[in-house]
Amino acid sequence: QKEVEQNSGPLSVPEGAIASLNCTYSDRGSQSFFWYRQYSGKSPELIMSIYSNGDKEDGRFTAQLNKASQYVSLLIRDSQPSDSATYLCAVSQRQAGTALIFGKGTTLSVSS
Amino acid sequence: EPEVTQTPSHQVTQMGQEVILRCVPISNHLYFYWYRQILGQKVEFLVSFYNNEISEKSEIFDDQFSVERPDGSNFTLKIRSTKLEDSAMYFCASRDRGGAYGYTFGSGTRLTVV
Repeated sequence: QKEVEQNSGPLSVPEGAIASLNCTYSDRGSQSFFWYRQYSGKSPELIMSIYSNGDKEDGRFTAQLNKASQYVSLLIRDSQPSDSATYLCAVSQRQAGTALIFGKGTTLSVSS
Repeated sequence: EPEVTQTPSHQVTQMGQEVILRCVPISNHLYFYWYRQILGQKVEFLVSFYNNEISEKSEIFDDQFSVERPDGSNFTLKIRSTKLEDSAMYFCASRDRGGAYGYTFGSGTRLTVV
């Protein structure tokens, strides 16, 4: 069974700090990796996608992928209270078409 | 920015009744999905749809569920005889061929079975 594992948290960081969120996955055939943000009662909102080993930066967010270790991470720099949400790691087998498998999510709380 | 639109936002139904959840995916997207999220739990895949047929489905998507794309814009999920455990948030999602922008989710339909 394909599994995506995340620490459920809560992860608490002060405003301005770096938040580090981690995710592992079981299916070595996975090729596409996504981080979504979900506010309570709302739908998942795409933050980052990453397909190749290494780092990918977009503004305050950096996604890191290590396929050999089956590990994906998300760094949020200069964390803001508005970043407080649940962060969902999602994985799919191919770049198009196949289903996303989600982790349970990590709840991030940024205190001002 | 293009959106995936879902209606209704909230539906209450009695156990055993049929419900149809509606979605309008982004117009140039080719892949369509239904997911559900039971309160406090993770987002779970139900079914994917491509080229007017189901391309993949999960164990959750049993005979009481069906999907349809009745015209060029709508994508529906039907639950034939609802159970209490079907109470959840149901999300529609769509994706283009290249997938560079990931899967775009609709705002969801909260289904409450009483």
